[in-house]
Amino acid sequence: QQQVKQSPQSLIVQKGGISIINCAYENTAFDYFPWYQQFPGKGPALLIAIRPDVSEKKEGRFTISFNKSAKQFSLHIMDSQPGDSATYFCAAGQNNAGNMLTFGGGTRLMVKP
Amino acid sequence: ETGVTQTPRHLVMGMTNKKSLKCEQHLGHNAMYWYKQSAKKPLELMFVYNFKEQTENNSVPSRFSPECPNSSHLFLHLHTLQPEDSALYLCASSQSSGGAYEQYFGPGTRLTVT
Repeated sequence: QQQVKQSPQSLIVQKGGISIINCAYENTAFDYFPWYQQFPGKGPALLIAIRPDVSEKKEGRFTISFNKSAKQFSLHIMDSQPGDSATYFCAAGQNNAGNMLTFGGGTRLMVKP
Repeated sequence: ETGVTQTPRHLVMGMTNKKSLKCEQHLGHNAMYWYKQSAKKPLELMFVYNFKEQTENNSVPSRFSPECPNSSHLFLHLHTLQPEDSALYLCASSQSSGGAYEQYFGPGTRLTVT
């Protein structure tokens, strides 16, 4: 059972555009929602994360929007650049499950120059 | 660099071979993880170690055998693998308490089983 569903699987955006990736979860006990970025030949790297006590978190061009009632969260990449081309994974963690994360299926983003 | 190293980076092995993957973290963490990353599939958690003790085995076949001799080192011993075991194997580490979920990944070992 996939507890975190991510969409779209792939995304093509023009340089300067906004990239939006969405995730939905089922387990209401999740209390930590990170996004990871993975370049070819590298492991995933933590990009930005949010906890459910806030609805939005922004770091530079990257913003997480969180909707607790809908059990959804999304990553917005403003002014997308070709260097942002990578695979993005959302994930969710819960305190009473130790420190394990459940990952979404990933989104392959291509930013065209 | 994330502070998590993995060796080898690439491995080709036959189904009757025995090999080991190695992971080392230099972050002072006390939790370590093995993940399997296959094409078109979510990251699959395989094993979790906290303070050298295995706390999670996600129904992984016995042909994969983990070992954690100390909080900085993690091994994955492989024997009699199947072609469907070909994948990228990722190691990660984190703190193990206080709601610290941030996991730091190594670059992975690309495994091909022939």
